[in-house]
Amino acid sequence: DSGVTQTPKHLITATGQRVTLRCSPRSGDLSVYWYQQSLDQGLQFLIQYYNGEERAKGNILERFSAQQFPDLHSELNLSSLELGDSALYFCASSGQGSYEQYFGPGTRLTVT
Amino acid sequence: GENVEQHPSTLSVQEGDSAVIKCTYSDSASNYFPWYKQELGKGPQLIIDIRSNVGEKKDQRIAVTLNKTAKHFSLHITETQPEDSAVYFCAASISSSASKIIFGSGTRLSIRP
Repeated sequence: DSGVTQTPKHLITATGQRVTLRCSPRSGDLSVYWYQQSLDQGLQFLIQYYNGEERAKGNILERFSAQQFPDLHSELNLSSLELGDSALYFCASSGQGSYEQYFGPGTRLTVT
Repeated sequence: GENVEQHPSTLSVQEGDSAVIKCTYSDSASNYFPWYKQELGKGPQLIIDIRSNVGEKKDQRIAVTLNKTAKHFSLHITETQPEDSAVYFCAASISSSASKIIFGSGTRLSIRP
């Protein structure tokens, strides 16, 4: 158990809908990262937040957005969903000044 | 742009034998190289990492080697066991963002009994 929690574990929704994925980092970690893992694909970095502020951006679509709240939990919002958005979405966290990222169990999103 | 290439994509070894997975990276300023193990239905688990100022690091049956000149790094698993079956990802830090890492495409390791 990495100490990173993600909810929900599974999400099934229809095209055009909007969903919110939630992540709670390890106790004390200030950084949260979001990744997308499509079937048989590697991990694609989406975005990083550090202590409430956006720190780095990857190939995140404009339909996707994220935020980190004062209690350090983070939410990833996916809107106008398309079939191709079906994937595993992982959150990871790291401590201040640390490169080590610890991953949560993921949310499996299925868009029908 | 920056990228990490990983080989092979699949690897099958006899239980008890060794397994080696190799990665190359493009960003000469990369200085952190973690390896992750992902079991079916789970999130990636950090199993070992190495910094650029170290050439080799061992932790029980796993070891990583780094050749900065050639921009290669490798994961070595000795005395493989059935529980080593998983997908393994290498990654490298990106100089433009100290905390951002880029992942290889993964190696599916199967241990034959």
